[in-house]
Amino acid sequence: NAGVTQTPKFQVLKTGQSMTLQCAQDMNHNSMYWYRQDPGMGLRLIYYSASEGTTDKGEVPNGYNVSRLNKREFSLRLESAAPSQTSVYFCASSEYRVGNTEAFFGQGTRLTVV
Amino acid sequence: SQELEQSPQSLIVQEGKNLTINCTSSKTLYGLYWYKQKYGEGLIFLMMLQKGGEEKSHEKITAKLDEKKQQSSLHITASQPSHAGIYLCGADNRDDKIIFGKGTRLHILP
Repeated sequence: NAGVTQTPKFQVLKTGQSMTLQCAQDMNHNSMYWYRQDPGMGLRLIYYSASEGTTDKGEVPNGYNVSRLNKREFSLRLESAAPSQTSVYFCASSEYRVGNTEAFFGQGTRLTVV
Repeated sequence: SQELEQSPQSLIVQEGKNLTINCTSSKTLYGLYWYKQKYGEGLIFLMMLQKGGEEKSHEKITAKLDEKKQQSSLHITASQPSHAGIYLCGADNRDDKIIFGKGTRLHILP
């Protein structure tokens, strides 16, 4: 039972490089999320997708793009990485209209931009 | 927009002691979640509260949602080293998003 799978787990980028973080869930959830976690800041929502084919900005969307490729997959792209994007990134999924169930999280991607 | 404030930000407790972590919302809570995160790892779901006055327990961890549904407390009885980590409260803001507090770092001293 895989749940939410994120790849890669670790990544080091040079300033200006691009990369895509991959996320896949096997629970047939409608909603998927990308968060970043920084020391003292908790989890902040970058983008979310309430259903296949839709995406919306969260609290901190600047510098990121997302793609809801299908119901299972939700990717996060950094077009031109900056040191301020050094963080731990978490993908999560849940049923539509959370309030009745929990969100499931991936193990995180630790990204360092030098 | 709804905000969640957790207190304290950090807590150091002697093993065996009780402790309480609070989560206060700027708006009515429709679903309140407690998660635990071990350092460097993902989040583990602890429990969810929905009704005012609701209280749930999991092993030595008890969480309660107050009657007005704007505050939740998480209480750990007889703390153990395995309780160390970051505790995060999350809320359903009725807009297809889950928002989180900044977390409480708990250290247990042997």
